[in-house]
Amino acid sequence: AQTVTQSQPEMSVQEAETVTLSCTYDTSENNYYLFWYKQPPSRQMILVIRQEAYKQQNATENRFSVNFQKAAKSFSLKISDSQLGDTAMYFCALSVPEKLTFGTGTRLTIIP
Amino acid sequence: SAVISQKPSRDICQRGTSLTIQCQVDSQVTMMFWYRQQPGQSLTLIATANQGSEATYESGFVIDKFPISRPNLTFSTLTVSNMSPEDSSIYLCSAASQFTTYGYTFGSGTRLTVV
Repeated sequence: AQTVTQSQPEMSVQEAETVTLSCTYDTSENNYYLFWYKQPPSRQMILVIRQEAYKQQNATENRFSVNFQKAAKSFSLKISDSQLGDTAMYFCALSVPEKLTFGTGTRLTIIP
Repeated sequence: SAVISQKPSRDICQRGTSLTIQCQVDSQVTMMFWYRQQPGQSLTLIATANQGSEATYESGFVIDKFPISRPNLTFSTLTVSNMSPEDSSIYLCSAASQFTTYGYTFGSGTRLTVV
């Protein structure tokens, strides 16, 4: 069975600052994918960033980057130059290889 | 990546009735899934909708309560049957084709309130 743990239920940061959201996971599989999804109040699940487990290089998408530590089973999300539109719930998710298992989420608030 | 149209976006239903939620994808996808998200909580997978065959349900979810159809590669429905207030949740469908490239796409969700 797969598990995903997000230990930060809520976080807040000033606009333009950098924030890091933590995620750890557990799986016995070698071939898997990790995702960060954002869910604003509109309920729409939006893919933020994706990481293939076989790739050592950390994924980057504009202001969003991950720190993928495979041995430690850690997958944190760093948001640089945070913006008011980044306010949302953020879910870490694991795919092995098809069904997604979600963490409990981190509610991120960007303060003007 | 695929775009999903999900409807209704919200509904208020009487206990004991049933509601059918529809998801239409704008392209053929190999995988479709249904999730439940209870207020303030994470997403829980209900079932995988299989094209042309019975859905595959996760532990704790049964076909009599959550019948699912997937008649083709672009459409699926979830019915919430004999509803009780405990069924009040957000229900989301998801689809993936080349998930290794695009990840999983989600519908905008259905907020169901049972009174």
